[in-house]
Amino acid sequence: SQQGEEDPQALSIQEGENATMNCSYKTSINNLQWYRQNSGRGLVHLILIRSNEREKHSGRLRVTLDTSKKSSSLLITASRAADTASYFCATSEGAAGNKLTFGGGTRVLVKP
Amino acid sequence: EPEVTQTPSHQVTQMGQEVILRCVPISNHLYFYWYRQILGQKVEFLVSFYNNEISEKSEIFDDQFSVERPDGSNFTLKIRSTKLEDSAMYFCASMVLAGFGKTQYFGPGTRLLVL
Repeated sequence: SQQGEEDPQALSIQEGENATMNCSYKTSINNLQWYRQNSGRGLVHLILIRSNEREKHSGRLRVTLDTSKKSSSLLITASRAADTASYFCATSEGAAGNKLTFGGGTRVLVKP
Repeated sequence: EPEVTQTPSHQVTQMGQEVILRCVPISNHLYFYWYRQILGQKVEFLVSFYNNEISEKSEIFDDQFSVERPDGSNFTLKIRSTKLEDSAMYFCASMVLAGFGKTQYFGPGTRLLVL
């Protein structure tokens, strides 16, 4: 898979359920970030996890990072219809200030 | 809360025409980026800009593309002679300082359609 590939590509859940999506990458990274994109709109930053961190929480979001497996997961607990969006992981490698490399995204549909 | 802004939100142009996409990064940010997203595809890096010069560019960022920070607040992307395949959403991003825990903040994008 390419740098920053998400799995699954699409996810459909009921409101109140948890949504989990995964991201795999290939190279050594400085940090990994998750972004949300509502249909046709901009990218909203959700959470950043550094390469020396294993887990991070922000509200209903929980992110894990396993650098040995080169993978990360994003968990959205108690999902709401407003969480319907595409979720992208993006990795930063090399020198600080470098570009982000995005995955293909997971499309999440939360049904009311 | 400070935001990255972009204008216009939508632009339609004829193939071969020049377009300039404008961005106002967050005011105390020092690193600036352009990315693009072709419909249904990944977000792709185009170029990064720091200290009034390009710090990195992708293969996509060929001689038809240029960036400029003309007045200390705006950050522009110019496409000299647009092609059909330049149709995409273009995102500007900025970051306060380089650092492994720093976040790039994205603007809402400009949707460019080349006919």
